[in-house]
Amino acid sequence: EAGVAQSPRYKIIEKRQSVAFWCNPISGHATLYWYQQILGQGPKLLIQFQNNGVVDDSQLPKDRFSAERLKGVDSTLKIQPAKLEDSAVYLCASSHGGEKLFFGSGTQLSVL
Amino acid sequence: AQRVTQPEKLLSVFKGAPVELKCNYSYSGSPELFWYVQYSRQRLQLLLRHISRESIKGFTADLNKGETSFHLKKPFAQEEDSAMYYCALISGGYQKVTFGTGTKLQVIP
Repeated sequence: EAGVAQSPRYKIIEKRQSVAFWCNPISGHATLYWYQQILGQGPKLLIQFQNNGVVDDSQLPKDRFSAERLKGVDSTLKIQPAKLEDSAVYLCASSHGGEKLFFGSGTQLSVL
Repeated sequence: AQRVTQPEKLLSVFKGAPVELKCNYSYSGSPELFWYVQYSRQRLQLLLRHISRESIKGFTADLNKGETSFHLKKPFAQEEDSAMYYCALISGGYQKVTFGTGTKLQVIP
């Protein structure tokens, strides 16, 4: 089966600019996750979707981060405006029933 | 709130030596625990889950509710085991997955 697709693979922006990441989960997977992984740390959940509804966004900095999953398939994560501390790898994952997550390759963001 | 702790950032062992990667958790409900692995230049992927009680690539992990631990073990380390290992906990009705900070396993030839 095709894996979780993410783009872009790398992104370099200056602080205060905007950036968007895209994720296409595995077909049929109802649950989609966005994680932020800062260098040297474990993945931190930003937002979790069940179909096109948000079930957990408790750790999403809502003043600058937003995410949507229209039609319950693809998802986009946006940062506006970016800060230096947003430099990280942004991982998208999907699952069918929650027990096994399938991860994308991630987007490495550098904020200068 | 749920929490996963991996006390070691780096674990170096010689090839053929036993390996134990530590994981402790904090969760008020009935835990479901997993180990994920990330090999160099590859995606994060599931290694094993406690509920399956399986051995994958020679690795096993036993859930100890009394000690709230889920340590990953392998009797004889191989060079190809070198990777980042993350312990993870599933919680809540919507299956929220919380990861530990990870341990880098380095197997010395």
